[in-house]
Amino acid sequence: QVPLQESGPGLVKPSQTLSLTCTVSRGFVNSGGYYWSWIRQHPGKGLEWIGNSFHSGSTYYNPSLKSRVTLSIDASKNQFSLKLTSVTAADTAVYYCARVPSSGPGGADYWGQGTLVTVSP
Amino acid sequence: QSALTQPASVSGSPGQSITISCTGTTNDISAYDYVYWYQQHPGKAPQLMIFDVNKRPSGVSNRFSGSRSGNTASLTISGLLTEDEADYYCSSYTTSATLIFGGGTKLTVL
Repeated sequence: QVPLQESGPGLVKPSQTLSLTCTVSRGFVNSGGYYWSWIRQHPGKGLEWIGNSFHSGSTYYNPSLKSRVTLSIDASKNQFSLKLTSVTAADTAVYYCARVPSSGPGGADYWGQGTLVTVSP
Repeated sequence: QSALTQPASVSGSPGQSITISCTGTTNDISAYDYVYWYQQHPGKAPQLMIFDVNKRPSGVSNRFSGSRSGNTASLTISGLLTEDEADYYCSSYTTSATLIFGGGTKLTVL
């Protein structure tokens, strides 16, 4: 297993920035071979890909969120992060961090447990 | 990008086989051999069941199989068990270097 663990505030005010971090407990975020991904799930709804980051600094974003999303990797802490700006109630969701094989980037082979982020005043 | 199309629900009896479809376009499902399937139980994170169209990760039962024909990928579960009752999602890589999910299918084992 490659445990992934999300962390960050569970409550964010509208118009503020949602910031989450994913800690990789085994393996290394800068070892290559994988994209490090964020995926969210609105309550009772399906999965929505937010974006992928690669150790080289390359990033790939969902076009519908691209203007508000920044992904980054901190190899010194073996973590990767998500920032989503100007949040609204529509951003309330369970946010998952996940690992996507670069040899077959059609999806994620390992997922964090997910963290619920609620956007409310 | 529009979500891949899955049936909202399917059902089957224990021991039967069911198939869940996932329809996309030439820009995703049929563009690459990068189609994944996941199982998600309530309150849990998705679990990978099939990758690269038809490959099973170690530990996943051989009752689960994947296939593709044209722009439609399919997940077949044979010998249904009550524990298979869950939501199932497909995902695919796209020609825009993005990842896209299906809307999800709720499997009920009657």
